[in-house]
Amino acid sequence: DVKVTQSSRYLVKRTGEKVFLECVQDMDHENMFWYRQDPGLGLRLIYFSYDVKMKEKGDIPEGYSVSREKKERFSLILESASTNQTSMYLCASSSGDQETQYFGPGTRLLVL
Amino acid sequence: GQSLEQPSEVTAVEGAIVQINCTYQTSGFYGLSWYQQHDGGAPTFLSYNALDGLEETGRFSSFLSRSDSYGYLLLQELQMKDSASYFCAARAGTGRRALTFGSGTRLQVQP
Repeated sequence: DVKVTQSSRYLVKRTGEKVFLECVQDMDHENMFWYRQDPGLGLRLIYFSYDVKMKEKGDIPEGYSVSREKKERFSLILESASTNQTSMYLCASSSGDQETQYFGPGTRLLVL
Repeated sequence: GQSLEQPSEVTAVEGAIVQINCTYQTSGFYGLSWYQQHDGGAPTFLSYNALDGLEETGRFSSFLSRSDSYGYLLLQELQMKDSASYFCAARAGTGRRALTFGSGTRLQVQP
C-alpha cells in the first residue's frame, strides 16, 4: 500500500524558531512536493524535487528551504518561523511522469 | 501564470447528481486532475483527463474540453460520505511535474 508519512500532525513553535518538517515515502518515487494549504486558497506549491539533491522553487518559496539527501525523504525547513507561516503543510510524492500524487496526512503548524 | 477557477461551495441532497466545474488558464497544459479531501484528511486522487471527453469511474465521472479550457467532475447518486472538498489541478507549467490546484469546492450533501 502506498504510504507517505509526515513527522508530526501538530506543531506549535515560536516566532524566530527554526522548524523542520519531515516527509518520508515508501514507494520509491522520484518526485516529492511540499504544499501549504490555507482556507480559500487551496494548495499552494512551496518546493519540489525530482531527484536526490535536486530541488526547484514552487509558487511561494520565500521563507522556506528544502533538503533531499535520500530518495525517500524530503524535508521542509522554516529558517525563522513567522506567524504568517501558520498553516497546514502537506507533502506528496509521485512516480516518474505519472499524474497521480500521493499525499501525507499533513502537519498543522501554529507559529506564536 | 497558472490559474484554475472553481466554485467555492456546492450543496446537494442525497441521491442527487452534482457537477463541479473548473476553468483553467495554464501554459503547457497536459491534462486535468481531480482530488477529494475530507475534513482533517489528506487529498486523494480521483481522476485524470488528458484527452477531451468523459472518463467514468463508478459514481464519479470527469470531463475535459481543451478547446474551452474547461472541465468538470460529476458525482452521481450522492451519498453523505461524499461531503468533502474537491480540487481540480493541472501541471504547473511546461515540463513541470508539480501541480497547480484550484482553491477547492466544498460539497455539502444533505439528507
